[in-house]
Amino acid sequence: GAVVSQHPSRVICKSGTSVKIECRSLDFQATTMFWYRQFPKQSLMLMATSNEGSKATYEQGVEKDKFLINHASLTLSTLTVTSAHPEDSSFYICSARGQGPSGANVLTFGAGSRLTVL
Amino acid sequence: EDQVTQSPEALRLQEGESSSLNCSYTVSGLRGLFWYRQDPGKGPEFLFTLYSAGEEKEKERLKATLTKKESFLHITAPKPEDSATYLCAVQDWSNDYKLSFGAGTTVTVRA
Repeated sequence: GAVVSQHPSRVICKSGTSVKIECRSLDFQATTMFWYRQFPKQSLMLMATSNEGSKATYEQGVEKDKFLINHASLTLSTLTVTSAHPEDSSFYICSARGQGPSGANVLTFGAGSRLTVL
Repeated sequence: EDQVTQSPEALRLQEGESSSLNCSYTVSGLRGLFWYRQDPGKGPEFLFTLYSAGEEKEKERLKATLTKKESFLHITAPKPEDSATYLCAVQDWSNDYKLSFGAGTTVTVRA
């Protein structure tokens, strides 16, 4: 079935540093990937949509200079949190749209990345 | 703007005690309604997609139904391994495959 790998699963960094999170579709080509953020006991909030080879589309209120998204190939998208601050600490989850056993309409999610900024 | 409301927020069940979770939604044009299961510290795991009112889908002890305003996830004779947060999401025809999620229902099944 469709598998999305997300790395790292956990990362701790100092305030002011940048952190990169990778999202890979392992057995299918993902034309579109989505990045979500989830706070404790809250739902997933869409941050941005990335299409292979083009600029990401950010949701209202999401700082594009803070959260850099690159979708360089049909199997890889990256999210870079630049100059991270404690308020950026959160659970970041990527998802990919592609041909899986349930069809192209279903989004397959990665396992998530827990970012803690000290 | 799409809106998804899930109830209850939390549900504690005894093993074998069947129950239902509700997902009410408002969307301009429903492309699909999705149910996902999320375990703590993990990403959502796909369960079902429903596309039109009256549609039903089943998987083991779970059954999802859809009307024009809401969806139900029925859990029949749950087991402790069914403990998780169940998320409902809608996809709008105008939103290019984006999913709008509800806050989820956290189900705890006691042995």
